[in-house]
Amino acid sequence: QQPVQSPQAVILREGEDAVINCSSSKALYSVHWYRQKHGEAPVFLMILLKGGEQKGHEKISASFNEKKQQSSLYLTASQLSYSGTYFCGTGSDSWGKFQFGAGTQVVVTP
Amino acid sequence: DGGITQSPKYLFRKEGQNVTLSCEQNLNHDAMYWYRQDPGQGLRLIYYSQIVNDFQKGDIAEGYSVSREKKESFPLTVTSAQKNPTAFYLCASSIATSRGNEQFFGPGTRLTVL
Repeated sequence: QQPVQSPQAVILREGEDAVINCSSSKALYSVHWYRQKHGEAPVFLMILLKGGEQKGHEKISASFNEKKQQSSLYLTASQLSYSGTYFCGTGSDSWGKFQFGAGTQVVVTP
Repeated sequence: DGGITQSPKYLFRKEGQNVTLSCEQNLNHDAMYWYRQDPGQGLRLIYYSQIVNDFQKGDIAEGYSVSREKKESFPLTVTSAQKNPTAFYLCASSIATSRGNEQFFGPGTRLTVL
């Protein structure tokens, strides 16, 4: 079963913050976050492993609540370059079957 | 440079014809994946392979077939049994580590069936 992402879309002004959530009904080994620009392939942002990790990439950070099987991606002080569709991906072991959420479209305006 | 290549970038076929999409990687990754993406939607897993000569069905395998005869190659055939094959197809590869399996994507093939 695919992970569920929310919200489906968010519009921000440059400098504002946003949170994207990803939840799964299955026990997870890892949560990945990717960003896709229109017409391009997804680009890896970060991996979080079970154990309640929190990681960061520039002003984008994420957390993973293993007990709730949820992850959140935090866009802080958003920049125009943050626009795109963000996908969470989940795996139940260190490799093998991997599933993506439906995506959250982020639009950052000047 | 290491990476994943997919060819062609755009592909047009007539309804009822089988078509094979190419995916090659020189990253020495063990695992390879095929995803389908429809407009405004997420990535859905078609097939994946963890080792040579072995592959597993994903969530939407019906109407598709794959082979994994070489570590570097994982071609996908879209058969005439696939009812709605027009989509953007993405191939990915990963290596299993204790830090997880970051997926590296190819540039994708946009298939249009006329």
